[in-house]
Amino acid sequence: GEDVEQSLFLSVREGDSSVINCTYTDSSSTYLYWYKQEPGAGLQLLTYIFSNMDMKQDQRLTVLLNKKDKHLSLRIADTQTGDSAIYFCAESRGYQKVTFGTGTKLQVIP
Amino acid sequence: DSGVTQTPKHLITATGQRVTLRCSPRSGDLSVYWYQQSLDQGLQFLIQYYNGEERAKGNILERFSAQQFPDLHSELNLSSLELGDSALYFCASSPRDSSFNYGYTFGSGTRLTVV
Repeated sequence: GEDVEQSLFLSVREGDSSVINCTYTDSSSTYLYWYKQEPGAGLQLLTYIFSNMDMKQDQRLTVLLNKKDKHLSLRIADTQTGDSAIYFCAESRGYQKVTFGTGTKLQVIP
Repeated sequence: DSGVTQTPKHLITATGQRVTLRCSPRSGDLSVYWYQQSLDQGLQFLIQYYNGEERAKGNILERFSAQQFPDLHSELNLSSLELGDSALYFCASSPRDSSFNYGYTFGSGTRLTVV
C-alpha cells in the first residue's frame, strides 16, 4: 500500500536554507505535493510536482524529485520565522485520494 | 479564508454520544474528502464523496458515516464516541474526481474532544 515517511522535526536559523525530506513507497505515484499547516489552521497547498519532473522552483521554494529512490525534498531559501509550521509531503496516483506523510515540524530560530 | 467552511470549530462531548460535523466545499468543487488528524496517527483519510456519491473509503470506522447532499455540502456523523476519537477532523474539496489532481483545498477543521 501507499506509505509516505518524513522526519518529525527540523530546526533552522532565520536566513538559512531549510531542507525537508520525504520518502514514499508507491512507484505509481503521479503527483507529489507539499502542504503547509500553520497552528490552528488547515493544510495549505504550497506546491506540487508531476512524477515526470526532476525539479520545480517557485520563488523561495525548490522541490527535488528522485523517482528512482522515491525521494522528495522541499528546500526553503532564506527561511523566515513565518515559515515555522508543519510541512506535509503527499502523493497521489492521479485519482483523488491523496496520501499524506506524518508531517515535519519546522522551527525557525530568530 | 480557503473557501471551505467547517462547523463547528470546536466540539466537546461525552463518551457514547453522537455528533455531526459539517462541511461546505469551495464554490464549484464537486468532491469532498474527510480526514482525521490525531497526534499519534497523523493525517488519516476517511472518505471521499463526489457529486453526492461515495467514491473512496479509507480508514473509516463503522461507527462513522458520511454523506454529501444535493447542494454539495457534506456531513460526517460520529456515533458511540470513544476517548480515542478525539482529534481534528478536516474537510477538503477539489473540483473533480477521476481526473488528475492539483491538490485539495482544506477547511480549518473541527476539533473534537471526547471526555
